[in-house]
Amino acid sequence: DSGVTQTPKHLITATGQRVTLRCSPRSGDLSVYWYQQSLDQGLQFLIQYYNGEERAKGNILERFSAQQFPDLHSELNLSSLELGDSALYFCASSVVVAGARSEQFFGPGTRLTVL
Amino acid sequence: AQTVTQSQPEMSVQEAETVTLSCTYDTSESDYYLFWYKQPPSRQMILVIRQEAYKQQNATENRFSVNFQKAAKSFSLKISDSQLGDAAMYFCAYRSPGGGADGLTFGKGTHLIIQP
Repeated sequence: DSGVTQTPKHLITATGQRVTLRCSPRSGDLSVYWYQQSLDQGLQFLIQYYNGEERAKGNILERFSAQQFPDLHSELNLSSLELGDSALYFCASSVVVAGARSEQFFGPGTRLTVL
Repeated sequence: AQTVTQSQPEMSVQEAETVTLSCTYDTSESDYYLFWYKQPPSRQMILVIRQEAYKQQNATENRFSVNFQKAAKSFSLKISDSQLGDAAMYFCAYRSPGGGADGLTFGKGTHLIIQP
């Protein structure tokens, strides 16, 4: 158990819909990362938040957005869903200290199926 | 942008034997971190081993060790005395050193099969 929690475990929805995935980082971790794992694209970094602020962006679609709240949990919002958005979405967290190494601990993932 | 290449989609090894998984990467940075993650059928991502580019000594963690060749941009994982529980997808990953302000860049993965 990494200490990172994600809900829900599974999500089934229809094309065109909007969903929200939730992540709670490990106690004390200020940074949250979101990744997408799909058969087509493999594991891709989407976005990072640090202490409530967006820190880095990867291959995140405009239909996707995220935020990190004062209690440090994060939500990934996926809208206008397409079949190709079906994937496993991971959240990871780390303690980020400038200039120091920071290991990322992954949550168990949310399996999204778009029908 | 950095890229990570794992050229072996699948590898098979007999239990108790040694196997090496290959990884190459492309970067213009001189300082960075490299990782091997294991993903068993449960889909959980588990960190196996890490290597800082500024360290010449290869990292080891029990039965897992790496061969880091900075000039060749190569980062292979050696698993000694393979066990059935080692069966999983293995991903090589790269991270820039910028104070944690970058996500991980992953390779496509190698599916490791352990033959009893």
